[in-house]
This record gives sequence, C-alpha cells and structure tokens, in this order.
Amino acid sequence: KQEVTQIPAALSVPEGENLVLNCSFTDSAIYNLQWFRQDPGKGLTSLLLIQSSQREQTSGRLNASLDKSSGRSTLYIAASQPGDSATYLCAVITQGGSEKLVFGKGTKLTVNP
Amino acid sequence: EPEVTQTPSHQVTQMGQEVILRCVPISNHLYFYWYRQILGQKVEFLVSFYNNEISEKSEIFDDQFSVERPDGSNFTLKIRSTKLEDSAMYFCASSPGRAQGEQFFGPGTRLTVL
Repeated sequence: KQEVTQIPAALSVPEGENLVLNCSFTDSAIYNLQWFRQDPGKGLTSLLLIQSSQREQTSGRLNASLDKSSGRSTLYIAASQPGDSATYLCAVITQGGSEKLVFGKGTKLTVNP
Repeated sequence: EPEVTQTPSHQVTQMGQEVILRCVPISNHLYFYWYRQILGQKVEFLVSFYNNEISEKSEIFDDQFSVERPDGSNFTLKIRSTKLEDSAMYFCASSPGRAQGEQFFGPGTRLTVL
C-alpha cells in the first residue's frame, strides 16, 4: 500500500530565504507525482506535475525534482515571499491501474516578513 | 482559465439526512473524482468516474455514497444517511486523461453533520 510522507510538518522562514520541502513515497512504481498548495479552509491548487519519466519540473520560483528509484521528491522555493505561506501537499499515482492520488499530510510553510 | 466549481461551499445537515454535493468539472475533461479531507487529516480518495461508470472506489465509499453525472456538465456526490464522521471537506477533481493526467481540484464543500 502506497504511503506518502512529508517532512518537515511545519517550517517557518524569513522572507527571501530559499527553502526545500521533502516528500517520500514507499512504492517507487508511480505514474506521476503532483505538488499542490492549500490555503487555510480552501481547495487544492496544482503547482507542478512530474511524470515518472521526468527528473524535474519548473514553474517560476518553484522547482520540483523526482528521484523515483529512491522514492523521493523535493519542492524548491526560491526567494520566498509572505504570499507563499500555505500548506504544500505532495501526492502520487501508483502504477497498476489505479487512478487515485495518494496524499501526504503536507508541510505548513510560514514566510515571515 | 477554466476551473472546477463546487456548490454549496458549506452545508450543514442533521445526522441521518441525505445530502447532495455538486461539482462542475472543467468542460473538456473526461475523468472525475471525489476526495475528502477530515479536519487535520490527509486528503483521501473516495471515487473516480469515467464514461458514466465508477472506475475505482475506496473502502470509504460504501453503500451510503453514490455518484452521478446527471447531465453533460454536473457531477454529484450523494450521501444517503449522513453520520457524524462524514463531517469533512469534500473536493471534486477532474482530469483530461487517465493516471498520467494532472488532476485539477475545486474549492471544496465543507460538510458539517450535527
């Protein structure tokens, strides 16, 4: 059974700092991995999708990498801003016919002005 | 930019009552999903739907739950007899393709069962 773990559970950084969020998954046979942002009481905003054949994806100040064989992904946020404060969720779709995203519990990021 | 919409944003109901949560997926998407998030817990998969059929469901999705695409645009989740433990945020998602496709989520419906 696929399990997704995210560390740290919470992170507080000063504005302008570069930071890395970590995600690990137990079954490396995945179709893809998706990073989301969730603001308090709100929905999930898709940030980046990495297919299993890819090593990384970039969008603006965000860069996500994938090391499928070791079951790890990282989300790098450059020059963090207070508006980046949110919970960041990692989710995977496992091979074998499943279509469901399996989520981690998230990392709650606070960027202090 | 196209987005998934959900109504209502918040639903309060009494235990044992039926509720219907509504979603309008992105118009050219073919795969539809429901997930839920109990407060403080992970987002959990409930069901996926393609070509007017359930394609996958979780253990949570028991006989109390059903899904329907009553017309070309709406996608609904019905809970027949709500329990206290059904209180959660329910998210609808849609995807243009299976498995490899990016899933796009709606803003959610917060269901409170009293």
